[in-house]
Amino acid sequence: NAGVTQTPKFQVLKTGQSMTLQCAQDMNHNSMYWYRQDPGMGLRLIYYSASEGTTDKGEVPNGYNVSRLNKREFSLRLESAAPSQTSVYFCASSLGQGFHGYTFGSGTRLTVV
Amino acid sequence: AQSVTQLGSHVSVSEGALVLLRCNYSSSVPPYLFWYVQYPNQGLQLLLKYTTGATLVKGINGFEAEFKKSETSFHLTKPSAHMSDAAEYFCAVSEGVGGGADGLTFGKGTHLIIQP
Repeated sequence: NAGVTQTPKFQVLKTGQSMTLQCAQDMNHNSMYWYRQDPGMGLRLIYYSASEGTTDKGEVPNGYNVSRLNKREFSLRLESAAPSQTSVYFCASSLGQGFHGYTFGSGTRLTVV
Repeated sequence: AQSVTQLGSHVSVSEGALVLLRCNYSSSVPPYLFWYVQYPNQGLQLLLKYTTGATLVKGINGFEAEFKKSETSFHLTKPSAHMSDAAEYFCAVSEGVGGGADGLTFGKGTHLIIQP
């Protein structure tokens, strides 16, 4: 009963490097989300996928791309990392009906130097 | 458009004292309301939610919240604070399906500090 699994938990990148953050859920949820969390900024939505096969931009999509690989998996890619992307990244999933709320992963702490 | 305002980025209470974390929202339709808790170095965990029915909602760890439509508020309370309650708390609102999937909007969070 894993819920939402994120990998890796920690990562250090050099400016300009690329990487993919992985997220998988085993709850048969329809919708999946990627957020970043920065001090004093709360949670900001990067991208979301309302259902398998669809993705949409959130509040802060610049510098990121996503792939909804199948119903279970939703990955976030940084093509050319910048220090401004140093953050904690959370993946979440939901049934997509509004009243269930989200289930969150434990996060990926990314540092770009 | 929906929005959430959490009053106070930091709240400090003594152990055993009342905890009150304030949340006001704006929504064009009857909302679904949530409180999440985030312990250090962890993800967010659902504390409680209001969907329909009874306006006083009980959650985990002795927390409760009351939906007051006339005040557009959903404040979180706990009668007696424990040291283990120290965490970040997020209020969130959803107008249901549409927009960003569930359309869940989060407040900026309130850091709860418990003084011994």
